[in-house]
Parts: sequence; structure tokens; C-alpha cells
Amino acid sequence: AQKVTQAQTEISVVEKEDVTLDCVYETRDTTYYLFWYKQPPSGELVFLIRRNSFDEQNEISGRYSWNFQKSTSSFNFTITASQVVDSAVYFCALSERLGSGTYKYIFGTGTRLKVLA
Amino acid sequence: GAVVSQHPSRVICKSGTSVKIECRSLDFQATTMFWYRQFPKQSLMLMATSNEGSKATYEQGVEKDKFLINHASLTLSTLTVTSAHPEDSSFYICSARVTGLGNEQYFGPGTRLTVT
Repeated sequence: AQKVTQAQTEISVVEKEDVTLDCVYETRDTTYYLFWYKQPPSGELVFLIRRNSFDEQNEISGRYSWNFQKSTSSFNFTITASQVVDSAVYFCALSERLGSGTYKYIFGTGTRLKVLA
Repeated sequence: GAVVSQHPSRVICKSGTSVKIECRSLDFQATTMFWYRQFPKQSLMLMATSNEGSKATYEQGVEKDKFLINHASLTLSTLTVTSAHPEDSSFYICSARVTGLGNEQYFGPGTRLTVT
């Protein structure tokens, strides 16, 4: 069965520290997509990144970087030099292809990140 | 691009009444929209997948007669909570999939429903 595990329920760091959010997934599909979303206190989910299963290149976007490793079924997210504005809940998601040809997400339970000034 | 709106953002209703929540894709057409429910400090739970012009597909355990979904156009899907009860109080979030791209979903800002 498809599953996404975010073992870290809550993380607290001091501003300017680096922090890594873990995501481990299970799937039998050979083609799949992985995503990270940020949910600030306002509630709206913000899309951060999509990665398809054939692209294992790591990606960097400003202070954000992602490490995708198929060998360990992990898609970890690192924030460098964290800022208070990074405080939010971060969700990792795996897309599951349905028989109808559409896709639905399997979400992890989320990691609440608190960045202290 | 890929903006999704929801209306209302917050609603309070009395037990036994019905509430309609609208989800609109503002700058793209969405053949597929999704409705989620999120309890405090929990993850998103998919309620149903809505395809334009056809009946919604509900997840196991979600009452289709209680949560009516209509996807009448490529830019609008509605969720109606019928005969609401206090246990229906939750944060409801819709999303739309951008057809042709990598299956990412863009989420609306959510609707906080409180049933008194």
C-alpha cells in the first residue's frame, strides 16, 4: 500500500540553524511523484516542489534543498539558515495513480517546524 | 498562475442547516478537483475526487449523501454539507489539479466551518 511517513512530529530550532525534515515513502508504482507543501498558520497550503520518480537529482531553491534517494525511499527537505517565517507545518505527499487515470495524494502526517528568534 | 479560491473562508451555522462551499480555479481549467478535511493538528484527509461533468468519487467512510459535491464547470466545484452537526466542524480545503503538468495540486485557502 502507498504510505508516507514523516516521523518528526515537531521540531524547534533557533533562527539561522539548518534543519532537515524527513520523509519516507512506500509505493509499488514505478512512476510516481513526490511533493512538499508548506502550511503556515493561515492554513493555505503552499506548493514547494514536485519530483518525479525518474529524476533523482537534488534540487536547491534559495535556502531550500531537497534530497531524493530512491534506494532508501526518502525525500528529505532541508532549510538552511532558518528564519522565523519558516515556522509552519510541512507536508510530504506521494501521488497515487488511480485506475481512472487520475491521481490522488497520500499525505504524510506533517512536521510542525518552530523557528525561534 | 494556478490560483484556487474558496468561499466562504469562514462560516458558522446552526445544527441541522446546510452549508455550501465553493472552490474556483481562477486562471486555469481544472478537470479534477479534490476536497479534503483537516482536523486541528492533523493531516489532510481526502474526502472525494471531483471530475467535471461526472459524479464525484468518495473515499471510504465519507457519506456521499451528507457531503454533496458538484463539479458543474471546469472552474467550479461545490461541497455542500447537509444537515450539519457539531462533529462536522472542521477545516475544509479544496484543490485543483493542473491538467497536463506533473500532477501537482494547487490548494485553496480553506474554509473553516463551525457548527453550533
